[in-house]
Amino acid sequence: GAVVSQHPSWVICKSGTSVKIECRSLDFQATTMFWYRQFPKQSLMLMATSNEGSKATYEQGVEKDKFLINHASLTLSTLTVTSAHPEDSSFYICSAMGALLEQYFGPGTRLTVT
Amino acid sequence: AQSVTQLDSHVSVSEGTPVLLRCNYSSSYSPSLFWYVQHPNKGLQLLLKYTSAATLVKGINGFEAEFKKSETSFHLTKPSAHMSDAAEYFCVVSENDYKLSFGAGTTVTVRA
Repeated sequence: GAVVSQHPSWVICKSGTSVKIECRSLDFQATTMFWYRQFPKQSLMLMATSNEGSKATYEQGVEKDKFLINHASLTLSTLTVTSAHPEDSSFYICSAMGALLEQYFGPGTRLTVT
Repeated sequence: AQSVTQLDSHVSVSEGTPVLLRCNYSSSYSPSLFWYVQHPNKGLQLLLKYTSAATLVKGINGFEAEFKKSETSFHLTKPSAHMSDAAEYFCVVSENDYKLSFGAGTTVTVRA
């Protein structure tokens, strides 16, 4: 089946630094990928839609200059959290859209900012 | 606008007994509805999807859900719970098949 990976699975960074999270579709091409954020014991909130070769579309309230998204190929999208602060600590999940418009989710990346 | 309400934040069942996870939705259009399961340290997995065909949808691992338009509900059931069913379950609605709105989730625990 369709597999999506994320790297790293867990990252700790110091406040003020930037961290990059990768999302890869391993056995299919994905024109569209999505980035979600999940707080503990809460639901997933869509942050942005990433389209290959074009600028990402951000949801209301999501700072595009803070959460930089790049979708440079049909199998890779990256999310860079710039100048991270403790309030950015969260679980970040990506999904990739398959040919039948189904979303396949990655296992998530836990970010802790100290 | 689309939204989902999962009526139970936590459901505890004994192994071998039925499971019922309740979900109500709100949508301006005829939506697609999904149930996803999230096991610890694993990606979300699609259990089943409703797309205006049969109102009773059968999914993987013995789960099924019934779409009731009059009640705006899409409850998930399984006749006999297994220990491996312990996980977080999300009811999801989509009006355009790509932008998903997730419910708050229901944690299922299964007692031996």
